[in-house]
Amino acid sequence: GEDVEQSLFLSVREGDSSVINCTYTDSSSTYLYWYKQEPGAGLQLLTYIFSNMDMKQDQRLTVLLNKKDKHLSLRIADTQTGDSAIYFCARGANRDDKIIFGKGTRLHILP
Amino acid sequence: DTGVSQNPRHKITKRGQNVTFRCDPISEHNRLYWYRQTLGQGPEFLTYFQNEAQLEKSRLLSDRFSAERPKGSFSTLEIQRTEQGDSAMYLCASSPRGATEAFFGQGTRLTVV
Repeated sequence: GEDVEQSLFLSVREGDSSVINCTYTDSSSTYLYWYKQEPGAGLQLLTYIFSNMDMKQDQRLTVLLNKKDKHLSLRIADTQTGDSAIYFCARGANRDDKIIFGKGTRLHILP
Repeated sequence: DTGVSQNPRHKITKRGQNVTFRCDPISEHNRLYWYRQTLGQGPEFLTYFQNEAQLEKSRLLSDRFSAERPKGSFSTLEIQRTEQGDSAMYLCASSPRGATEAFFGQGTRLTVV
């Protein structure tokens, strides 16, 4: 199977919460990341979590990590049209090591 | 600082031709990474440098691919004898020593016809 797996599509109504899920296989992953990619734009780091944490909150973003199940999720509260993008889950072994990405989840916002 | 700069932004080439892309990282970032992204996929790691030293190469990087960072600043990625399967977005990223975040450029889109 793939190293980092995530569902390909998610549709959410504007104002609702979006939850994007991800699983990974490598237990040596020390850093887990969420990147955002908008059309015509480069990859932007949204947030990351260190493997000894189980939750991180940053404004509308909440990251949950279940290290035992190797499951990572990104919750976006009060989803806005500007949140429409592809969200990549990614992992890294060390602080400035190469990053391994999932295939991305395309978030579509319904009016 | 203008961020990570990649040139050209777009390249169309005929199969069999050689192409070279350039990446200018953020000033004083000692780590530089190359990734490749095809439609519907996430970025795939190709190689990375710490200063001028190439530390790791993916098995995706065939013998036709070569990357250099001669003075530890800008980097070039060359593809020899291009094939249609090389069509992709080539992304460059850089990070300072010990950083958590890698900063990505907007990429070079290669189309092999």
